Amino acid sequence: NAGVTQTPKFQVLKTGQSMTLQCAQDMNHEYMSWYRQDPGMGLRLIHYSVGAGITDQGEVPNGYNVSRSTTEDFPLRLLSAAPSQTSVYFCASSLHPTYEQYFGPGTRLTVT
Amino acid sequence: TQLLEQSPQFLSIQEGENLTVYCNSSSVFSSLQWYRQEPGEGPVLLVTVVTGGEVKKLKRLTFQFGDARKDSSLHITAAQPGDTGLYLCARPGTGANNLFFGTGTRLTVIP
Repeated sequence: NAGVTQTPKFQVLKTGQSMTLQCAQDMNHEYMSWYRQDPGMGLRLIHYSVGAGITDQGEVPNGYNVSRSTTEDFPLRLLSAAPSQTSVYFCASSLHPTYEQYFGPGTRLTVT
Repeated sequence: TQLLEQSPQFLSIQEGENLTVYCNSSSVFSSLQWYRQEPGEGPVLLVTVVTGGEVKKLKRLTFQFGDARKDSSLHITAAQPGDTGLYLCARPGTGANNLFFGTGTRLTVIP
């Protein structure tokens, strides 16, 4: 099993550009989520999904969109990147929202 | 409030020393998870505590859940360089449909 995979590993964007961060899991987990990690601020929840076709906002959703068309995939879209979105992004999956979370290796995004 | 305060924010110690890090909240939580994150990787679960007063041991790591279920601590005995990393605590969010993380303690163990 690959677990949770994320692509790309690194990305540099210019302000206003759009991109999609990919996340996939092969553990048949219903619950998936996206976090961003900034120095001194721990992990903050962006969006989450409790199953295919169902998504909801987390703590810091502004500037990000998600969709969940399959159990395996949960992409995160930045429609118009801003320097404030410079961060490390982690995708996670789990059997249940409050059970052990399995994290991907992260995507380091820089917006100039 | 869902605020989880972790202290200290940074800790640098010599190999072989003991240390304790803390995770505190003003509200009661049903359970608490501790994760360790190594540089360049995602967090990995160390332990989950669910009962007030519970103590769990994982080799040289001892986890305690406060009696009132508002706080938790992680004690490391005889720290080793491999213990270096970011230690995060996490609790169920309001509605129990997500997990809320603390700000973390960054531990460096110097050989």
